[in-house]
Amino acid sequence: EVQLVESGGGVVQPGGSLRLSCAASGFIFSNYWMSWVRQAPGKGLEWVATIKQDGTEKYYLDSVKGRFTISRDSAKTSLFLQMNSLRAEDTALYYCATSEVQYSTSSLYFDFWGRGTLVTVFS
Amino acid sequence: SYVLTQPPSVSVAPGKTATIICRGDNIGTKSVHWYQQKPGQAPVLVFSYDRDRPSGILERFSGSNSGNTATLTISRVEAGDEADYYCQVWDSSSDHVVFGGGTTLTVL
Repeated sequence: EVQLVESGGGVVQPGGSLRLSCAASGFIFSNYWMSWVRQAPGKGLEWVATIKQDGTEKYYLDSVKGRFTISRDSAKTSLFLQMNSLRAEDTALYYCATSEVQYSTSSLYFDFWGRGTLVTVFS
Repeated sequence: SYVLTQPPSVSVAPGKTATIICRGDNIGTKSVHWYQQKPGQAPVLVFSYDRDRPSGILERFSGSNSGNTATLTISRVEAGDEADYYCQVWDSSSDHVVFGGGTTLTVL
C-alpha cells in the first residue's frame, strides 16, 4: 500500500524558514516523479513544485521560485521542500504526491497523495 | 499563464447525471485529469485519459475533452459523491501544473 506521510509544518513568522519532509513507502520511490501541492484554508489546490526521479529536473510555481527548493533522498525514500523567506500567502496545507509524467502527451498528474502538513505564516 | 475555469457549484438529484465542466484555451489538445476532494480529506484522482480508471474508482466517472471544454460526468449520482472536483493539466509552454478553481458538487 502506498503511504506518503508529510511532516515539518508549523507556525513561522514572515521571512522565516521551514523544511517539509514526506516519508514514502509501499512503492519504488526512485521510479517516481514527486510533487508538492498546497491548499490555502478554504481555497482550491495550487501546485508548488515537481522533481524528476533522479533530481535532474525541477519545476516551480513562479511565486515560490527562488524561495523554495524541492529535493529528494532515494536512500531515505523521502521528499523535501525547503521553504525560505516565507510570506503570509504561503499559509496552506502542503501535500506530497506521487506524479506520473508522460512526455508523449505532455501530461503530468498526481496519483497518490499524503494527508498534508499545515504551514502557517503569522506575525 | 494558462488558466482553467470551473463553475463554483453544481447541484444534482440522486440517481441523475452530474456534469462538471472545465474551460481552457484549446484544452482539447491537452490531457486533463480530475480529482475529487471530500471535506477534511486529501484529493483523489478519479479520472485521467492517460491511465486506466484508478483503482477503486467506479465506472460511474467518465470524461471527455474537445475544443475549449473538458467535462467530468458522474452517472447515477449518490450522496457519497458530494465533494469538490478539480480539473488539472500540464502547461508545456510554461512547464507548470495548472488546476481549475474547483467545483462543489451538491447532491440534493
